[in-house]
Amino acid sequence: DTAVSQTPKYLVTQMGNDKSIKCEQNLGHDTMYWYKQDSKKFLKIMFSYNNKELIINETVPNRFSPKSPDKAHLNLHINSLELGDSAVYFCASSPRRTNEKLFFGSGTQLSVL
Amino acid sequence: GQSLEQPSEVTAVEGAIVQINCTYQTSGFYGLSWYQQHDGGAPTFLSYNALDGLEETGRFSSFLSRSDSYGYLLLQELQMKDSASYFCGCVYNFNKFYFGSGTKLNVKP
Repeated sequence: DTAVSQTPKYLVTQMGNDKSIKCEQNLGHDTMYWYKQDSKKFLKIMFSYNNKELIINETVPNRFSPKSPDKAHLNLHINSLELGDSAVYFCASSPRRTNEKLFFGSGTQLSVL
Repeated sequence: GQSLEQPSEVTAVEGAIVQINCTYQTSGFYGLSWYQQHDGGAPTFLSYNALDGLEETGRFSSFLSRSDSYGYLLLQELQMKDSASYFCGCVYNFNKFYFGSGTKLNVKP
């Protein structure tokens, strides 16, 4: 069983569309995250949820909206997609808020045309 | 976000030892982690240091010096499969985590 799974693996879409990425973890962790990795491989935290509560919200356009229906799921919805949103988006989880050890999903390659 | 500095690229030969350094900002610092990422893959956890000193896990070791705001990842007996990007990451203020820009390690035969 995959510990942190995210879907879809690839997402190709046109500018202006709205899309969602789903993430689920079966590790029983309390904390989940979304990270964005750009073409230069820089990993930037976007959001963090602890037990469905938003605890980190970095400077991210409000076109990005995370939703955590329960502590095992953290989805990312993106409105009005722009070219600059093209990147790999990683979901991750950790057993504690101290997040010294993160478990990553396999990533979603988003390409906005 | 916090600023973490690490070299952009390192090249070494199979069987050698390589050290990847990471310096970080001290304000709110809680601990230093290291992750490995192969091309097209996800980052995977390697080690974590909250206290000064060396942590050893097989061929990989990680070191932290809080007084110097500095840590490193040491890879011994390099293998071709170790070719990957290595990221240091810091926990700040208990629950914020930031990555460095990554070091691309090229292992040559």
